[in-house]
Amino acid sequence: DAKTTQPTSMDCAEGRAANLPCNHSTISGNEYVYWYRQIHSQGPQYIIHGLKNNETNEMASLIITEDRKSSTLILPHATLRDTAVYYCIVRVLNTGNQFYFGTGTSLTVIP
Amino acid sequence: DTEVTQTPKHLVMGMTNKKSLKCEQHMGHRAMYWYKQKAKKPPELMFVYSYEKLSINESVPSRFSPECPNSSLLNLHLHALQPEDSALYLCASRPRLAGGPNTGELFFGEGSRLTVL
Repeated sequence: DAKTTQPTSMDCAEGRAANLPCNHSTISGNEYVYWYRQIHSQGPQYIIHGLKNNETNEMASLIITEDRKSSTLILPHATLRDTAVYYCIVRVLNTGNQFYFGTGTSLTVIP
Repeated sequence: DTEVTQTPKHLVMGMTNKKSLKCEQHMGHRAMYWYKQKAKKPPELMFVYSYEKLSINESVPSRFSPECPNSSLLNLHLHALQPEDSALYLCASRPRLAGGPNTGELFFGEGSRLTVL
């Protein structure tokens, strides 16, 4: 099963772009990368996912390297409400469809 | 209804008690998940149900017993737990998307916080 590694913590100034990296060097060809965030003691919230192409939605952008061994979540204009733990997840596509959480990055947006 | 509802929100139990956690969704999702999350740690996968059948058990001790009585309901029965089992227990469900790769994301509930004394 692919594993992910993320920096433990990051700071970002309010209004600036937050770039959160994730390494998933053992990812298989059919495994998706998902990003979730969790605000203190709440349930994780879906942000975005992708397979090999870059993706964008109303919350964020996901940049996946060509070799698929790493990805970056971009929050284009961070606000104080974006302070949370961000998890990079590899989804295993088999009968179980397991979602394995990485260690997470605690993002603090600073006023 | 786009929610996953977990009850109770908080539960305190002794090591000899038997209790259950409940998870409910009415989005028609046919895959449901249990995760365990210790403080300052990522959620750890415990069980996956697909079409009301257990498809994945991540070597969870038998004192945790999952049950999926119907497509909307997922239970986690707890018996003879240890203090180290105190954690936030998260339930999630996932839609199955037709016509192509199954790329549905997980929808999480707010969790049940369990304290074992």
